[in-house]
Amino acid sequence: DAKTTQPDSMESTEGETVHLPCSHATISGNEYIYWYRQVPLQGPEYVTHGLQQNTTNSMAFLAIASDRKSSTLILPHVSLRDAAVYHCILRVGAGNTGKLIFGLGTTLQVQP
Amino acid sequence: GPKVLQIPSHQIIDMGQMVTLNCDPVSNHLYFYWYKQILGQQMEFLVNFYNGKVMEKSKLFKDQFSVERPDGSYFTLKIQPTALEDSAVYFCASSLQGWEQYFGPGTRLTVL
Repeated sequence: DAKTTQPDSMESTEGETVHLPCSHATISGNEYIYWYRQVPLQGPEYVTHGLQQNTTNSMAFLAIASDRKSSTLILPHVSLRDAAVYHCILRVGAGNTGKLIFGLGTTLQVQP
Repeated sequence: GPKVLQIPSHQIIDMGQMVTLNCDPVSNHLYFYWYKQILGQQMEFLVNFYNGKVMEKSKLFKDQFSVERPDGSYFTLKIQPTALEDSAVYFCASSLQGWEQYFGPGTRLTVL
């Protein structure tokens, strides 16, 4: 399974824009880049996903490098509620089975 | 967003007993998943299920594990018999087309 590399942790302050990097140098052409986040005692929450083009939704902006070997999840104006472990995942599996392979992710701390 | 429910939130049983973990997926979803997370460790895929069949399972999905969705409502994970190493939080997820997965809050299983 293709792997991703993320920093263990990042710190931010409320109101800042946070850039969470992810490296996936061996990504295959048909693999999508997914981002989930998880807070303690809860299940992961879907954030966004993309294939090649940058994507945006109400939660975040996903910037994907032109060679697809890296991506950055951009969280505008973070609040305390954005403190979580953020997982960058390449979607693997045959057809639409789409199992998610989680790593340890990046722990984002948000200070008031 | 869509809600996945899991019942119970916490289950304590003696080693060797049978346990059934229940998942109430999003009503129109077609793909179902179980993941296992030991405290402090990364989430690990167990199995996915579609159209009444197991599509893929990991090596963690031991012979003592089984899944079903008998009446089109609850998606269940049964462990019979349980072992000490089965103690973990089990997360259920569902998906409409195998793209975004929506996770429940987890069931904490403690095997004594």
